[in-house]
Parts: sequence; C-alpha cells; structure tokens
Amino acid sequence: DAGVTQSPTHLIKTRGQQVTLRCSPISGHKSVSWYQQVLGQGPQFIFQYYEKEERGRGNFPDRFSARQFPNYSSELNVNALLLGDSALYLCASTSPGPAEQYFGPGTRLTVT
Amino acid sequence: AQSVAQPEDQVNVAEGNPLTVKCTYSVSGNPYLFWYVQYPNRGLQFLLKYITGDNLVKGSYGFEAEFNKSQTSFHLKKPSALVSDSALYFCAVRDGGTYKYIFGTGTRLKVLA
Repeated sequence: DAGVTQSPTHLIKTRGQQVTLRCSPISGHKSVSWYQQVLGQGPQFIFQYYEKEERGRGNFPDRFSARQFPNYSSELNVNALLLGDSALYLCASTSPGPAEQYFGPGTRLTVT
Repeated sequence: AQSVAQPEDQVNVAEGNPLTVKCTYSVSGNPYLFWYVQYPNRGLQFLLKYITGDNLVKGSYGFEAEFNKSQTSFHLKKPSALVSDSALYFCAVRDGGTYKYIFGTGTRLKVLA
C-alpha cells in the first residue's frame, strides 16, 4: 500500500501570497492531521480532520485553514504568508482507533 | 495543559552499547505516548506506542520504551546501538480526551563506530 503522499515537495512563495498544500492519506485512514516543523524544533500541531470535520486545532492564527474531502484527502491553506511561515509542513494519517500517526515526507515551504 | 519534555538535545553512544533517550510528559487524562524517528530530509517514522497494558512496549528496529506512570516518563531504549540508529528522535503525547498531539523538541542520537 502507498504511504501518505504530499504535494508539492518544495515551494517558494513571497510574503503576502497564499499557498495550498495537499495530502493523501493511507488507504482506509479517515483522519488527517497537519503539522508545522520549523528547523531544529519538533512538529507543531495545526489541525486534525476526521470524516471531513475539524476535530482538533492547535495554536495557529486564522490565516491557517484546512479542509478534508470525501476521499479523505486534505488541503492546508495559508494566507498572507509571513517569513516565519517558512517550515516543513507534515501531513499524517491516523490508523483506526486511538493509534499511531503515519507521516508523509512533507512539503518544504520557503517564504521570501 | 499537555506538554512533553526531552531534556537532552543530543545523546552520544558507542556502537554496541545500550542507549536511552529520555522523555517526560504531562497530560490531564490518560496518556497515549509515542516515539518517532526522523532521518535527514525525511518525514517522521513511527517506532512504538503506549496506549494501555504492559509498561514495557516493544517497537520497530529493536527499540523499546518503558512507561512509568509515577515518574510520568516514557524513555526510549535499545540494548545494542547501531551506527544506522543515528537520527533525530521525537517523543509525542496525546491526551486521551482530545485529538491534539504534542511533540517534544527532539533528541539527536549519535552512535559512534
């Protein structure tokens, strides 16, 4: 089975622009989470979606939004980009039950 | 509030020696605890988890972790380290009453040949 996939791999944007990152979970997984990992730090929880509903939200501004589609894929949108938004954005899908998350390779976002 | 602490930024160990990477946590409910490993320019790979049951949890690649409720710790261990174990290790906790996962700051493990 394919793992979690994310696109694009790398992205360069300018301050003030908007970006959309995409994630496809492992087949059979209905929950997707998004994390921001700044260089040298641990991943910071942004959102979790389950069955298209937001189930958890971290301490991120409203510039960050997400949605989940009927096929359980997900998009993370960030508006009005700031230099501090430069990071590795990780998507994870969660196996059924209170279980582990499987991470994708991430999207490296650079804001200039 | 949930929190995870990894007190060591880096751990050095000789190949063949046992290794321990420390993690302590704070949650209001029953903890779900996890260890992940990250290799350069890669996403995180799941190693093991504690949800309930036996306090000693065995995971991938020969790693194990011991859950200690009184000390609120979940240290990662391996009896004999390999050079290929060198990577960044993250401890994570999820409060059983929420869906929010909290990661530690990471510990860089360096296994010396």
